Amino acid sequence: DAGVIQSPRHEVTEMGQEVTLRCKPISGHDYLFWYRQTMMRGLELLIYFNNNVPIDDSGMPEDRFSAKMPNASFSTLKIQPSEPRDSAVYFCASSLGGINTEAFFGQGTRLTVV
Amino acid sequence: QKEVEQNSGPLSVPEGAIASLNCTYSDRVSQSFFWYRQYSGKSPELIMSIYSNGDKEDGRFTAQLNKASQYVSLLIRDSQPSDSATYLCAVRGRAGKSTFGDGTTLTVKP
Repeated sequence: DAGVIQSPRHEVTEMGQEVTLRCKPISGHDYLFWYRQTMMRGLELLIYFNNNVPIDDSGMPEDRFSAKMPNASFSTLKIQPSEPRDSAVYFCASSLGGINTEAFFGQGTRLTVV
Repeated sequence: QKEVEQNSGPLSVPEGAIASLNCTYSDRVSQSFFWYRQYSGKSPELIMSIYSNGDKEDGRFTAQLNKASQYVSLLIRDSQPSDSATYLCAVRGRAGKSTFGDGTTLTVKP
């Protein structure tokens, strides 16, 4: 398996624009996580899905953020409208079901909002 | 209080020394615990997992878990410059939620 695949790797956009980040989890994994990493706040859990269903979105910072998982092999994280403070590295991770399983991370998307 | 807290860094040790990294968590029903290593500009990668109280050794790495104290640690023996990275503690709990600490940056000086 190619691992968790995220696209794009880098995104530069202007404030106010819509941004869509994409993730393909490892085949067969039941859980999908979206994280945001900044120097100030570390690695924050934004939302996670189990079997395509959102379980906990309490980490989503504002209504400007939304995430979907229409099927087991694809998820999106959308920011509309984007703001400079959204600049961060966004990671997608997936894992098998079961508590004693680790999360595997994608390469991340570095988002810069100017 | 953050769900997962790690000792503030940065941590600097000489080559060959033991590096000690600590982590506490707030959810008493958490069941599995992980240490990830993250090199600058890269994504986190798993180095150790532990599920039961006590010690677990893997090469130069030892993870220690004390559920009563809600405490997890990672010891790196014979530290090497290649161990210089940020180490992230992760806790997996109810409904599969996976939460990370802010990380501790380790520098091993030759």
